Amino acid sequence: LAKTTQPISMDSYEGQEVNITCSHNNIATNDYITWYQQFPSQGPRFIIQGYKTKVTNEVASLFIPADRKSSTLSLPRVSLSDTAVYYCLVLNYGGSQGNLIFGKGTKLSVKP
Amino acid sequence: NAGVTQTPKFQVLKTGQSMTLQCAQDMNHNSMYWYRQDPGMGLRLIYYSASEGTTDKGEVPNGYNVSRLNKREFSLRLESAAPSQTSVYFCAIQAGTASGANVLTFGAGSRLTVL
Repeated sequence: LAKTTQPISMDSYEGQEVNITCSHNNIATNDYITWYQQFPSQGPRFIIQGYKTKVTNEVASLFIPADRKSSTLSLPRVSLSDTAVYYCLVLNYGGSQGNLIFGKGTKLSVKP
Repeated sequence: NAGVTQTPKFQVLKTGQSMTLQCAQDMNHNSMYWYRQDPGMGLRLIYYSASEGTTDKGEVPNGYNVSRLNKREFSLRLESAAPSQTSVYFCAIQAGTASGANVLTFGAGSRLTVL
């Protein structure tokens, strides 16, 4: 299972674009990059997943360079409600992930 | 948290008491997980189950036992609760997506306090 590294915390202001980068140097061919968001007192929820290049949904964009050793979660025009912890994970296609360990995540604080 | 039901939502125990946290899914997926999250900390994997009848240890299995008797349910048991086990416990299932790898869907959590 590929290990991931991401910043412990980030601060931003409402209306700004926030980019959170995750490194995963040992990513394997069948691995997908997946991001989760967790609000206080709630379980993490899936926000976006990608394999290469760029993926966009109604919540965020995910940028993945050609070598796939890193990825960047982009949150456009954040609001106070985007204050949360964001986790980057690398998940294998198909089958059980086995010993699926979350890191500490990135705590994003959005200020007015 | 549709698809993953955890019970109870809250529980207070005295040191040495035992209890079982229940997790049930209605999505017919093989893999299920138990995590704990202490205040201000990240998620730590306790045990996981790749399929019915199989279980494996995660990062922090000491003090816990699990049971996966059928595909739908995965229970976590504390035989002799300790204050260090005060935490929020999350159950998760591994579900597929239409376009890629499997992702995790979490339950709402069970908040446990051990006095």
